[in-house]
Amino acid sequence: EAGVAQSPRYKIIEKRQSVAFWCNPISGHATLYWYQQILGQGPKLLIQFQNNGVVDDSQLPKDRFSAERLKGVDSTLKIQPAKLEDSAVYLCASSLEYLASGSLETQYFGPGTRLLVL
Amino acid sequence: AQSVTQLGSHVSVSEGALVLLRCNYSSSVPPYLFWYVQYPNQGLQLLLKYTSAATLVKGINGFEAEFKKSETSFHLTKPSAHMSDAAEYFCAVTANRDDKIIFGKGTRLHILP
Repeated sequence: EAGVAQSPRYKIIEKRQSVAFWCNPISGHATLYWYQQILGQGPKLLIQFQNNGVVDDSQLPKDRFSAERLKGVDSTLKIQPAKLEDSAVYLCASSLEYLASGSLETQYFGPGTRLLVL
Repeated sequence: AQSVTQLGSHVSVSEGALVLLRCNYSSSVPPYLFWYVQYPNQGLQLLLKYTSAATLVKGINGFEAEFKKSETSFHLTKPSAHMSDAAEYFCAVTANRDDKIIFGKGTRLHILP
C-alpha cells in the first residue's frame, strides 16, 4: 500500500513570495490533515478535511494560508505572501474515517515539505 | 484546553539500557493519549495510543506506555534500547474522539554505543 505522498520535499523562497504544497493521501482515506511543524516544536494542525469539506481550520492563518481538496482526494496548501516565520516543515496526514472514530483513527503521515523563507 | 509536557528535549541512553521518555498531560476530561516517533526526514509514525481501555498500552518496536491518572502521566518505556530507536518522540493528547490532537514539543532520543 502506497503511503502519503507530498511534493516538493524542499522549497526555498523569499519573503512575500507565494508557495504551494501538494499532498496525495492513502487511497480510500476520507480524512486529510495539514500540520505545520516549526523547528523544536510538535506539529500543529492547520486544517482538517473530511472528503472535500473542511471540518476544522481554526488554526489556519486565513489572511495568507489557503487549502483545498476539490475532489476529495489530493490537496493543495498555499501560502501567499510568505513570511519569515512560515519557515517550517509542512506535514500532510490522512486517516480512513472521521465520523466513526474521530481523532482516534490512526493518522498516516507523509514525509513533509521543508520550507525555508529568506 | 488540553496540553502535554514532555520533560527533556534530549535524552541519551546506552544501547541495551532502559528507555524512559516522560510525558505529563493536562486535560479537563478523560484524555486520549498518543506517542508518535519521527525518524530523520520522515513523517510521524504512531507508536501506540491510549483510548481508556487497559492502562498499560503496548505499541510497536517493543515500546509501551502506562496511563497513570493520579500522576497525569503517560511515560514511554522500552526495556532495551537499540541503535535504530534514535529518533524524535512526540507525546500527544486529545479530549474527545472528534477533537484535534495536540502535540508536545518532542524529545530527541540519542542512543550511545
